[in-house]
Amino acid sequence: DAKTTQPTSMDCAEGRAANLPCNHSTISGNEYVYWYRQIHSQGPQYIIHGLKNNETNEMASLIITEDRKSSTLILPHATLRDTAVYYCIVRYQAGTALIFGKGTTLSVSS
Amino acid sequence: GAGVSQTPSNKVTEKGKYVELRCDPISGHTALYWYRQSLGQGPEFLIYFQGTGAADDSGLPNDRFFAVRPEGSVSTLKIQRTERGDSAMYLCASSLDSRTEAFFGQGTRLTVV
Repeated sequence: DAKTTQPTSMDCAEGRAANLPCNHSTISGNEYVYWYRQIHSQGPQYIIHGLKNNETNEMASLIITEDRKSSTLILPHATLRDTAVYYCIVRYQAGTALIFGKGTTLSVSS
Repeated sequence: GAGVSQTPSNKVTEKGKYVELRCDPISGHTALYWYRQSLGQGPEFLIYFQGTGAADDSGLPNDRFFAVRPEGSVSTLKIQRTERGDSAMYLCASSLDSRTEAFFGQGTRLTVV
């Protein structure tokens, strides 16, 4: 079973920041938080991952709370092409597969 | 380089037939994963290879499903005696090793009629 809880859906206006929350209250010390997204009819796309420090790349920022029980994925300037299902996944780093939940459907509108 | 390639992109088969789905991982990636996805659901884990061996096959639903990766590169997912409930998108992913992020192919849409 997925170890994360995400809202079913969210809306965001184009050009605004999209903040997608994720709860992972049972995360253990050696488990990472991964984010993927899936645009309709495509395979999932890797976005970012982190252990306990905040992370940023060209796509997004990942903010992990100090107790690591929740995190937020931030898309700083959402575009229509960011409309997708976003999956938050907790993964033990060494030698395990990604276990997906149902994710959050983000709808970006103009 | 090229991403993960899955063939065919679409496959229609009759109930009871045998099918093979192929996955070409990114060159040099030692870990390979199979998932299936039904409409409106997240991807469901099936099996994970590290090199030639199946490191975790706990997601295979029953003994009609089998996967191989004989040379540690290309993998084939095999489904015997297909059922209509097997209709889904089958996704393959690969990663450099078991600790790094995985990259997905575009999937094979299997329809059992």
